This record gives sequence, structure tokens and C-alpha cells, in this order.
Amino acid sequence: DTGVSQDPRHKITKRGQNVTFRCDPISEHNRLYWYRQTLGQGPEFLTYFQNEAQLEKSRLLSDRFSAERPKGSFSTLEIQRTEQGDSAMYLCASSLGLAPDTQYFGPGTRLTVL
Amino acid sequence: AQSVTQLDSQVPVFEEAPVELRCNYSSSVSVYLFWYVQYPNQGLQLLLKYLSGSTLVKGINGFEAEFNKSQTSFHLRKPSVHISDTAEYFCAVSDPGTASKLTFGTGTRLQVTL
Repeated sequence: DTGVSQDPRHKITKRGQNVTFRCDPISEHNRLYWYRQTLGQGPEFLTYFQNEAQLEKSRLLSDRFSAERPKGSFSTLEIQRTEQGDSAMYLCASSLGLAPDTQYFGPGTRLTVL
Repeated sequence: AQSVTQLDSQVPVFEEAPVELRCNYSSSVSVYLFWYVQYPNQGLQLLLKYLSGSTLVKGINGFEAEFNKSQTSFHLRKPSVHISDTAEYFCAVSDPGTASKLTFGTGTRLQVTL
């Protein structure tokens, strides 16, 4: 068990550019979650997958955001036409998906939009 | 809808002193409750969780929390803190029925000094 990994750890981009983040969950974990954490706040739920199916999306996830988990393993989160308000820590978590469920978090990707 | 309130944004405490970090939740259904710790520039690490059963829950690093249904609280305690406990602490809830997304509080910064 190597834990949840995320890549990159830091990303600096200019406004209007597209960015993509990757999350590798703990092996055999069926559920994968994305959260966003802005400075001084707790994480906020964005979306989650059960295997390859995206089962819930927050209204925080605007049309510029898209998440995929094509083979039920790793996941990508893409932000198109980034805005300064997208600057945040993007956290990924995974879980077995069996009640009672416990989520284990990765180290996060810190995005800075200039 | 569920919500979590962490009234104390910062808690300063001297090393070896006891500490309590407060968490109150609001939910129309039964809940699972969690405490996570976040060290600078890192993801969240699970400290402890309440799912059912005994209302006193023991976690890692000497922390414990007590679930109080009548007061809708889940306060975190440690009898003697160490410098290394300096971090941000987040309380979170989830719905056992769906066991999906976590709803977090805004966090409490625990600052331990000599």
C-alpha cells in the first residue's frame, strides 16, 4: 500500500491556459474523490467515481472542469481556460467503497493561476 | 444538507498542556464523523472516526474524540500536546446512507509553543 499519489505537486500557469492533474488511488480502492481547498478553508467536494462511473458532481464543478477515470484506476482532472479563482489545492482521495467508508487523501496539487 | 462548524479558527497552547478542538455538526440524518490533520503543504491524514457504537473514539498520536448526539458535537482532545502536533485540524461528516462525499469544517489551526 503506497498511498494515494498526485502529480504534479505544484502547477503554475497563466490565466486562460488548460491544466491537467493526475491522481493514482490506493490499489483495489473502487471509489475516487476530488476536492478543492482554498486558502483558509476546508476541502470542498467536487466529484467522485465508483470504478469508472462518475456518480456525483458538485455545482462547484463548472463546465470548464472535467474529470475522468477511464479504466477505473487513475483519474485526471482537467481545467480549461483557467481563471485566477481556480487557484487552490486540489486533493484526491480514495476508498474501498464498502460501508463504513473511509477516505484516504493524497498530498494534493497546488495550482497557482497568474 | 449537512454542515460542520469549527468555532475556533486558531488555538494556541503550550507544550504538554491539554487541548480541546471543538466541532459541531448539523444533519437531518445520522452521520459518520471524522477528524483529519493537515501538516503544511501536505494532504489530509485521518486521525480518528466515529461510525457507531462507543461514543469515545481513540485515534492516532494520542488523540481522542467524543460523540455527543444531544449536543451534535464531536470535540477532539489530547491530554498533553507536543510541538509536532502543530497543524491544521479538520472535522468532517458524511452520510452513512450514501457514504460518499465528506463535508468539512473550516479548520482549526493548533499552534503549540514551548
